Amino acid sequence: RKEVEQDPGPFNVPEGATVAFNCTYSNSASQSFFWYRQDCRKEPKLLMSVYSSGNEDGRFTAQLNRASQYISLLIRDSKLSDSATYLCAVVSNSGYALNFGKGTSLLVTP
Amino acid sequence: DVKVTQSSRYLVKRTGEKVFLECVQDMDHENMFWYRQDPGLGLRLIYFSYDVKMKEKGDIPEGYSVSREKKERFSLILESASTNQTSMYLCASSLTLAYNEQFFGPGTRLTVL
Repeated sequence: RKEVEQDPGPFNVPEGATVAFNCTYSNSASQSFFWYRQDCRKEPKLLMSVYSSGNEDGRFTAQLNRASQYISLLIRDSKLSDSATYLCAVVSNSGYALNFGKGTSLLVTP
Repeated sequence: DVKVTQSSRYLVKRTGEKVFLECVQDMDHENMFWYRQDPGLGLRLIYFSYDVKMKEKGDIPEGYSVSREKKERFSLILESASTNQTSMYLCASSLTLAYNEQFFGPGTRLTVL
């Protein structure tokens, strides 16, 4: 099993829709989880940190399910500007480094 | 805001050349990282450093070395560049072991001819 797995998509959704991505991880001891957003040919930017059961920031909600070893990202009321690749990251065994998923591509259409 | 800068946005080098990629962060972060990102392969960790002069191999260290002489600066060195090292190189930093959100620089797109 890969360390961090994501559905690559693409997810094509209309403006205003709600969309959710899942990310599964293999290291059951991981305590810290992150969602990053990456625009085409740009660097990843931190979107949300998830340390306990979940986190919410405006239209974005991240949830952690330790029993099933996955985290999810929910985007409500999608905007055109939400179109990007969303990367999930999980702290590695070293405690310093992050293991990244390959990302889920989202395209929000008018 | 954390600022991570990289010395070049685009770089073209020839096979066999020694290549230096520089990364500087201005927020007194303890940890620094070098990744490469390739289509279909995602972000792969090359090396990281958790303190000055300390370094650890990541998942793909072969063909690379690193240097961290000062806390704010982390250099990636390609000893003898090869065409399969053509990639986007991303530097990142994080505050401490307990606060390990990583913040990325803008990346260097390296082409080796």
